[in-house]
Amino acid sequence: ETGVTQSPTHLIKTRGQQVTLRCSSQSGHNTVSWYQQALGQGPQFIFQYYREEENGRGNFPPRFSGLQFPNYSSELNVNALELDDSALYLCASRRTGTPYNEQFFGPGTRLTVL
Amino acid sequence: SQQGEEDPQALSIQEGENATMNCSYKTSINNLQWYRQNSGRGLVHLILIRSNEREKHSGRLRVTLDTSKKSSSLLITASRAADTASYFCATVTIQGAQKLVFGQGTRLTINP
Repeated sequence: ETGVTQSPTHLIKTRGQQVTLRCSSQSGHNTVSWYQQALGQGPQFIFQYYREEENGRGNFPPRFSGLQFPNYSSELNVNALELDDSALYLCASRRTGTPYNEQFFGPGTRLTVL
Repeated sequence: SQQGEEDPQALSIQEGENATMNCSYKTSINNLQWYRQNSGRGLVHLILIRSNEREKHSGRLRVTLDTSKKSSSLLITASRAADTASYFCATVTIQGAQKLVFGQGTRLTINP
């Protein structure tokens, strides 16, 4: 139990639709990151938010966007869904301070795009 | 792109045996972390080793780091059926956002 929750657990969408995934971090964790994990692969960094602003981004197009709220919750939004967006989406939170701070992962949202 | 590469991709051993997984990476790092993932669900942090450390222990886990070879290994001693999972190494680089860069993982199966 990491104290990080995600919703929904599973989601099925069709190509071209938009989706919003949600994450609730531990209290006091002011940094949240989102990762995409394709089947059989390791997670890939999408972006990171600190104090409600994006402060790092991986190799993902602008149709992947996010929000972070003061109550330690956050969202990942994906527009114009493509088949390759089918994956497990993980959020991870930590307390910013040093790079040695452990990241706590949520259980993930399994997105299927048909 | 993934920085780390785990070896082997899959490992199957008998309960009670030791399991060793290796990880290689490409750039300079601040620290390296190992995570476990059960059945495609969330990742669980196992252990972190800093770039100035060479070895670290936690229970049945032993991690080594060789920054000259840009490699790390995870040893699980006296394996149990419950250790069956995928194991990932992840690096944190010195500059930029403190993101985790994962390898492709090792799928470990412990046979009873």
